[in-house]
Amino acid sequence: DAGITQSPRYKITETGRQVTLMCHQTWSHSYMFWYRQDLGHGLRLIYYSAAADITDKGEVPDGYVVSRSKTENFPLTLESATRSQTSVYFCASRDGETQYFGPGTRLLVL
Amino acid sequence: RKEVEQDPGPFNVPEGATVAFNCTYSNSASQSFFWYRQDCRKEPKLLMSVYSSGNEDGRFTAQLNRASQYISLLIRDSKLSDSATYLCVVPRSGGSYIPTFGRGTSLIVHP
Repeated sequence: DAGITQSPRYKITETGRQVTLMCHQTWSHSYMFWYRQDLGHGLRLIYYSAAADITDKGEVPDGYVVSRSKTENFPLTLESATRSQTSVYFCASRDGETQYFGPGTRLLVL
Repeated sequence: RKEVEQDPGPFNVPEGATVAFNCTYSNSASQSFFWYRQDCRKEPKLLMSVYSSGNEDGRFTAQLNRASQYISLLIRDSKLSDSATYLCVVPRSGGSYIPTFGRGTSLIVHP
């Protein structure tokens, strides 16, 4: 089906482990984004990408790494997970000025 | 002033009521604004765009007040299904269109 998919949908990990969240879009949109959403903070931009091999930091990039070797994929890696990274993570792509979000990944870091 | 500010609510209204939310923004150069809707534990989805002349879509009306730097969303004849969080979106300061989301306003419509 066309759209944005995220995997896994739910993840429990331990402090210090590396975790990669996957994001895949079928539209070939140039721009892609990673957000985290926490109570009291709303959606905060972690990283974004304007095209393959072009990425840039958002509002809260520390502790995260991204790559974009192909237009359709935009994985987010937590290099050494911390409890403060427990959150809901949304991937999005942009068509014109409209953003389309994936269903989210709920991550719990113990 | 923060880039985007919204009253978190919740706004608790009966079915059939009219309710309005405001969203203030700091970037006076912003040209495009949006309202997104987010249902509980789901992803945000575009509700409507807001341009200089405003926008109306059925029971929903979005307006822009550049002088006071705020946008508004008016919902008439509220339905139970309108219960959700409404997110205001404005471009981030400094160039290419990177959106900044407000924290959202929670609406609860009760019977």
